[in-house]
Amino acid sequence: EAQVTQNPRYLITVTGKKLTVTCSQNMNHEYMSWYRQDPGLGLRQIYYSMNVEVTDKGDVPEGYKVSRKEKRNFPLILESPSPNQTSLYFCASSPLEGLGGYTFGSGTRLTVV
Amino acid sequence: QKEVEQNSGPLSVPEGAIASLNCTYSDRGSQSFFWYRQYSGKSPELIMSIYSNGDKEDGRFTAQLNKASQYVSLLIRDSQPSDSATYLCAVRNNFNKFYFGSGTKLNVKP
Repeated sequence: EAQVTQNPRYLITVTGKKLTVTCSQNMNHEYMSWYRQDPGLGLRQIYYSMNVEVTDKGDVPEGYKVSRKEKRNFPLILESPSPNQTSLYFCASSPLEGLGGYTFGSGTRLTVV
Repeated sequence: QKEVEQNSGPLSVPEGAIASLNCTYSDRGSQSFFWYRQYSGKSPELIMSIYSNGDKEDGRFTAQLNKASQYVSLLIRDSQPSDSATYLCAVRNNFNKFYFGSGTKLNVKP
């Protein structure tokens, strides 16, 4: 089944404790992206990548890191999480050719206390 | 001005009626247009893609695109309570940048 897999689905952590949210896709998509979704603010792009070893900042990159060492994986790293990073996070992927839409992962609900 | 504008709703329609959702966009370089359905706490699910002016039908869903007016719409015929969700309009431009609207909440009343 074609899918984007995110883990974990739920995470509660404490301020300052480094964490990684994993994202993997099995559709051979070049384009991968991370979003956060907050009530009243909609989907906001954090980082994106159009190829292995190529990453770019989205609209709200502060406090986040990403890496793209392999085509299928695009982990999101919070080196020192803060309460304002409490949010619902989505990983998404899309082919570069054909200008198609995103396939989204199931989401990760992160709470930082 | 936001890149993609949608009425936040809620839009309430009775079961069996046609629900009409609208979206305008500002980037004339937009190449692809999408409608996503999102249930509360779940991930967005792609339900329609449209790339050229006119109508595109898929089952009970019809997407309409008017590039001259920079307008995209989604019609849902024979609305069902299970259609109650937030519908996100999205566009992709020729630089592969995606823009999402804030979503329209649809309530279908039995």
